Amino acid sequence: QITLKESGPTLVEPTQTLTLTCTFSGFSLTTNSVGVGWVRQPPGRALEWLAVTHWNGVEHHNPSVNGRLTILRDTSKNQVVLEMTNMDPADTATYYCARRLVWQGMDYWGQGILVTVSS
Amino acid sequence: DIQMTQPPSTLSASVGDRVTITCRASQSISSWLAWYQQKPGKAPKILIYKASSLQSGVPSRFSGSGSGTEFTLTISSLQPDDFATYYCQQYSDYPWTFGQGTKVEIK
Repeated sequence: QITLKESGPTLVEPTQTLTLTCTFSGFSLTTNSVGVGWVRQPPGRALEWLAVTHWNGVEHHNPSVNGRLTILRDTSKNQVVLEMTNMDPADTATYYCARRLVWQGMDYWGQGILVTVSS
Repeated sequence: DIQMTQPPSTLSASVGDRVTITCRASQSISSWLAWYQQKPGKAPKILIYKASSLQSGVPSRFSGSGSGTEFTLTISSLQPDDFATYYCQQYSDYPWTFGQGTKVEIK
C-alpha cells in the first residue's frame, strides 16, 4: 500500500523559512522512474506545481518561487523535505506531496497540510 | 512556461449526462497530459495520464483524448460521485503547469 503524508508547521510568520516533510511508504525513491513532487493550492484557487526530485537525483523547481525552494531527500527514512525561504502571506496554501512515475502523472498524493503565513 | 486553459470554469450538468471538459495548451505537449479530480478538502486524484490512459481503479466512464494542444476529458454518464473540480496538467516541460480547473456542478 502506497501512502504519503506531509508534516510540519501550520503557521509561520512572514520572512520565516517553511520546512515540510513528506514521509512515504510502499515505494522507494531509489527505484527507477520514481519521483516525489510538491504541489500547493491557495484557498479557493488552482493547483501550482512547486518541485520534484527523482530516483536519479535530478530535481526541478518552479521558477515562479524565485529560487526560494530547496529539496532534501533521505532515502533511508523514505522522506523528502521541502524548504521554502522568506515566506509571505501569498504563500498561504495547502501543500501536497505526491509520487510520480516518469511518463505518468502524479498517482499517489498525501492528504495535504494547510500552511498559513501570518504574524 | 506552457499555459493550460480550461474553459469554462464551471459546468452545470445532470446525473446521466455525457460531460466533456476541454483543456488547451499554449504550445504542443504531445500526449504528456494528466487529468485529476478534486473534491472539497481532499487531495487531487489522478484519472487519466498520457492524455488517454485510464489510471488503474478509475471507472471506465472516464476517458481522455487529444494530443498536441487540444485535449478533452469525457464522462460518459455523470454519476453523483462525479460532481467535483477537474484539472488538467502538462508534464511535457518544466515547470509543470495546471489548468485553472473546471467545476462540475449539479444542474
